[in-house]
Amino acid sequence: DQQVKQNSPSLSVQEGRISILNCDYTNSMFDYFLWYKKYPAEGPTFLISISSIKDKNEDGRFTVFLNKSAKHLSLHIVPSQPGDSAVYFCAASGGGGGADGLTFGKGTHLIIQP
Amino acid sequence: EAGVAQSPRYKIIEKRQSVAFWCNPISGHATLYWYQQILGQGPKLLIQFQNNGVVDDSQLPKDRFSAERLKGVDSTLKIQPAKLEDSAVYLCASSSYDGKLFFGSGTQLSVL
Repeated sequence: DQQVKQNSPSLSVQEGRISILNCDYTNSMFDYFLWYKKYPAEGPTFLISISSIKDKNEDGRFTVFLNKSAKHLSLHIVPSQPGDSAVYFCAASGGGGGADGLTFGKGTHLIIQP
Repeated sequence: EAGVAQSPRYKIIEKRQSVAFWCNPISGHATLYWYQQILGQGPKLLIQFQNNGVVDDSQLPKDRFSAERLKGVDSTLKIQPAKLEDSAVYLCASSSYDGKLFFGSGTQLSVL
């Protein structure tokens, strides 16, 4: 039973354009959401997060949007750069932002084409 | 600030053998996690420690997997005996109290 779903295994975007990665969740107890980026042979690195009390959080080129009624979040990268090519994982926790274990999606492999 | 350290980076064993992984978290992080990432999947939580106590081990296959964090700092994860389906990357992570996990580079285990 997958509680966090990333339905696109891969996404190809031209350099300079917007990349939009999507994530859906089923557990209504989740209240803190994170995006991680992973390069081959490295561990995931934290990118950006959002609490359920917000609907948008922005950090430079990265913006995360949360639609609680639809149980959906998305990560926007503008403009996309070659170094953004990686696997992106959506993750969620239900502990109010505390140190709870995260539930991860399967990931989306983003490929930025020159 | 030093990151999460894990060793070894790679391990190849035969089924029914035993193996152990080591993790040293970021200094001052009270919470430590072990995750299993099978190829093509997202990381799956195996066990979570708060200091040296277990918070969640509901997804740890306890008949073959064990983990300890005796002094509340570094931790070891052991598999005994290993099965073919244990082939995966084992990730250690630590966090303070803001919910952001910091991951090590992982140990890639191949069981033949």
